[in-house]
Amino acid sequence: EADIYQTPRYLVIGTGKKITLECSQTMGHDKMYWYQQDPGMELHLIHYSYGVNSTEKGDLSSESTVSRIRTEHFPLTLESARPSHTSQYLCASSNEREQFFGPGTRLTVL
Amino acid sequence: AQSVTQLGSHVSVSEGALVLLRCNYSSSVPPYLFWYVQYPNQGLQLLLKYTSAATLVKGINGFEAEFKKSETSFHLTKPSAHMSDAAEYFCAVSGGTSYDKVIFGPGTSLSVIP
Repeated sequence: EADIYQTPRYLVIGTGKKITLECSQTMGHDKMYWYQQDPGMELHLIHYSYGVNSTEKGDLSSESTVSRIRTEHFPLTLESARPSHTSQYLCASSNEREQFFGPGTRLTVL
Repeated sequence: AQSVTQLGSHVSVSEGALVLLRCNYSSSVPPYLFWYVQYPNQGLQLLLKYTSAATLVKGINGFEAEFKKSETSFHLTKPSAHMSDAAEYFCAVSGGTSYDKVIFGPGTSLSVIP
């Protein structure tokens, strides 16, 4: 079944740790996105990719980095997590117009 | 460039009452318009989309929206609210090329009162 997956769903981690949030899609989409969303708030685009080896920064500055080595995989990495990184991170992929979202990862940095 | 405004960050309706969530957009090219719904601790799910075909668009769960170019609006409606409709709703706009990003509005939180 074509879908978009994110792991872990919930992550609680201490300050200074390196973390990677995983995102994979089986829909064959070239375009993928990462959004940051605080509870009850709007979405902020932090990274996007139009295909393999293509990554761009989004509208909101983020200390995270991304990579796109395979079409289906778009992981996000924080080298040193801080409490200010506490948020929900949503991954999405798209065809020509419509975006499809994963279930999100809720990150808490203590 | 595109932008989206959603009037009312919180809307409350009684169960069985009409749901009306407002969305106005700005776009320099013919827009593609979307409504997404987000339930707690979940990602966004597409409710409906306008892609320059019929101006009245029907979506899932009984929702519909009407594209009004003269008013630059794309309001979301449902004739009768259910308790399960309580969620966050996002209006979004995209431009005319496949490289245009989707721009999301700030969201409207819908509460349904029994």
